[in-house]
Amino acid sequence: GAGVSQSPSNKVTEKGKDVELRCDPISGHTALYWYRQSLGQGLEFLIYFQGNSAPDKSGLPSDRFSAERTGGSVSTLTIQRTQQEDSAVYLCASSPSNNGPRYFGPGTRLLVL
Amino acid sequence: ELKVEQNPLFLSMQEGKNYTIYCNYSTTSDRLYWYRQDPGKSLESLFVLLSNGAVKQEGRLMASLDTKARLSTLHITAAVHDLSATYFCAVTQETSGSRLTFGEGTQLTVNP
Repeated sequence: GAGVSQSPSNKVTEKGKDVELRCDPISGHTALYWYRQSLGQGLEFLIYFQGNSAPDKSGLPSDRFSAERTGGSVSTLTIQRTQQEDSAVYLCASSPSNNGPRYFGPGTRLLVL
Repeated sequence: ELKVEQNPLFLSMQEGKNYTIYCNYSTTSDRLYWYRQDPGKSLESLFVLLSNGAVKQEGRLMASLDTKARLSTLHITAAVHDLSATYFCAVTQETSGSRLTFGEGTQLTVNP
């Protein structure tokens, strides 16, 4: 069956531009997570969705970062006014419940010039 | 604040040898996860350990959990080159909801 998919796979943008990253979770998975992986910081939690609501958004690094989830399915992570330190791999994961294994997508590699 | 530490961070071993990766965490945890990541790829779920004394095995990998010691181990038996990857442990904590807190990762290289 289909796993978690993310788009785009790579994104190069200029400092100050806005970017949108998309995540399509495994069908039927109610929990969705965004993480960020960078060389200096390792794997960092960003936000967790249960259905369309976000009980935990405490990992978002600044108010330039926002995320939404619609229809209990697709999620979009938006970064406004991108900075060079936003360069990282953004990983999305989904799970059938908040206690189950997280299945990760292939990630979006973001490079801010 | 929950902290997760792995050691070693880098491990180079020969095929056929055994070795153990250690994962220590700082506070009470609900459950512990092990993931594998190949270069340029995403994370692949290996094990979910739910309770004290839990042991799970898949092929040449065996994971165990000691919640009293706040320690999990990933044991590699008779390593083969295909096991070369970075291995992460991660824990959840009741008070932090569903977030996974990851260790730094152990980069394993198995030499022929």
